[in-house]
Amino acid sequence: GESVGLHLPTLSVQEGDNSIINCAYSNSASDYFIWYKQESGKGPQFIIDIRSNMDKRQGQRVTVLLNKTVKHLSLQIAATQPGDSAVYFCAENGNSGGGADGLTFGKGTHLIIQP
Amino acid sequence: DVKVTQSSRYLVKRTGEKVFLECVQDMDHENMFWYRQDPGLGLRLIYFSYDVKMKEKGDIPEGYSVSREKKERFSLILESASTNQTSMYLCASSPGRSRLGSGETQYFGPGTRLLVL
Repeated sequence: GESVGLHLPTLSVQEGDNSIINCAYSNSASDYFIWYKQESGKGPQFIIDIRSNMDKRQGQRVTVLLNKTVKHLSLQIAATQPGDSAVYFCAENGNSGGGADGLTFGKGTHLIIQP
Repeated sequence: DVKVTQSSRYLVKRTGEKVFLECVQDMDHENMFWYRQDPGLGLRLIYFSYDVKMKEKGDIPEGYSVSREKKERFSLILESASTNQTSMYLCASSPGRSRLGSGETQYFGPGTRLLVL
């Protein structure tokens, strides 16, 4: 079946380095994508989103890249800080429950920041 | 800022008990969602609602029901709690005015961690 997935369950980076978290999706009908951050014991927090008419979108220290050709989404975090330690997961709007406003979520990548 | 609150952060219940999880959002959002989150399984949609008194089943509705009597409040009910319903429960809301384009950001509450003994 179609699903949103992640390449790595855990990513460990040095503090100050850049992080890249990847997400693969298989539904070519998806046209809206979101990255969430979930810290331990908390609910998911919106980071950044992108629509399929864009290839790149930047926020504060974060960049999302969308490659529709290979159905790949990535989140880049610049100069990672200890507070960036969390689980990051992507979401897409294709083939999801929840009707027209529903999302399908990936299982997440745990980002660990080494001092 | 969007604020989604859930009535409890932690709950411990016994098998067979009726459990109510409450969710309130303060942004006049039309859509509300209930998920459960389990290790290795990610977020799974239980029920959602597009309007007051309206509800739709998600991917795993068995053993659950919901109630939406007011726009800002969406309740998840476990009629008879079982140990396999031990999980993290997350409520979310979205504006619901996506007629100009599909897909909207969902805003999540802090979660309720439920333990059924």
